Amino acid sequence: DAGVIQSPRHEVTEMGQEVTLRCKPISGHNSLFWYRQTMMRGLELLIYFNNNVPIDDSGMPEDRFSAKMPNASFSTLKIQPSEPRDSAVYFCASSLMVGGLGAGELFFGEGSRLTVL
Amino acid sequence: AQSVTQLGSHVSVSEGALVLLRCNYSSSVPPYLFWYVQYPNQGLQLLLKYTTGATLVKGINGFEAEFKKSETSFHLTKPSAHMSDAAEYFCAVSDGNNNDMRFGAGTRLTVKP
Repeated sequence: DAGVIQSPRHEVTEMGQEVTLRCKPISGHNSLFWYRQTMMRGLELLIYFNNNVPIDDSGMPEDRFSAKMPNASFSTLKIQPSEPRDSAVYFCASSLMVGGLGAGELFFGEGSRLTVL
Repeated sequence: AQSVTQLGSHVSVSEGALVLLRCNYSSSVPPYLFWYVQYPNQGLQLLLKYTTGATLVKGINGFEAEFKKSETSFHLTKPSAHMSDAAEYFCAVSDGNNNDMRFGAGTRLTVKP
């Protein structure tokens, strides 16, 4: 089975440009998470979806960040305009929630390393 | 809300020595506890988890962890370190809902030959 697939693996862009990160969760999983990892702040939850619906986006840093999940097999995280402080590794993870609870593991993608110059 | 504290951002052991990575949690409800490992340039992968039942949990690669409610701890151990164990390790806690999983700051394990 394919795991969580993220693209691009690496992105280098200039300040002010739009960045779109993509994620394909594991087939059958109904929860999707976007995390950001930096040396200073560690692993931060940005937003999560249940059954394609955004449930909590309180971790999204500011309005420059937006995320969508148009269907069960695809999600995007967009930064517009990008800034140097957005440089980080962005992880997508998926899991299966049963009966409203999800104590199962999160399956992480390999991450998208973003560098904003 | 739950939280996790990992004591020691860096731990260095010799090959063959005991590995002990410390994790203490705070939770107002019975916690679900996890250890994840991250190898360079990769995502996190699950080592082991505790939900209910036996408090000593065995995971992959010879790792195990023990849930101690009285100490609010979930320390990760391995009797004999291998070079391949060098990685970053994250402890995480949730209330049974993955949507509220909180990760610790991570502990980087170095294994010396």
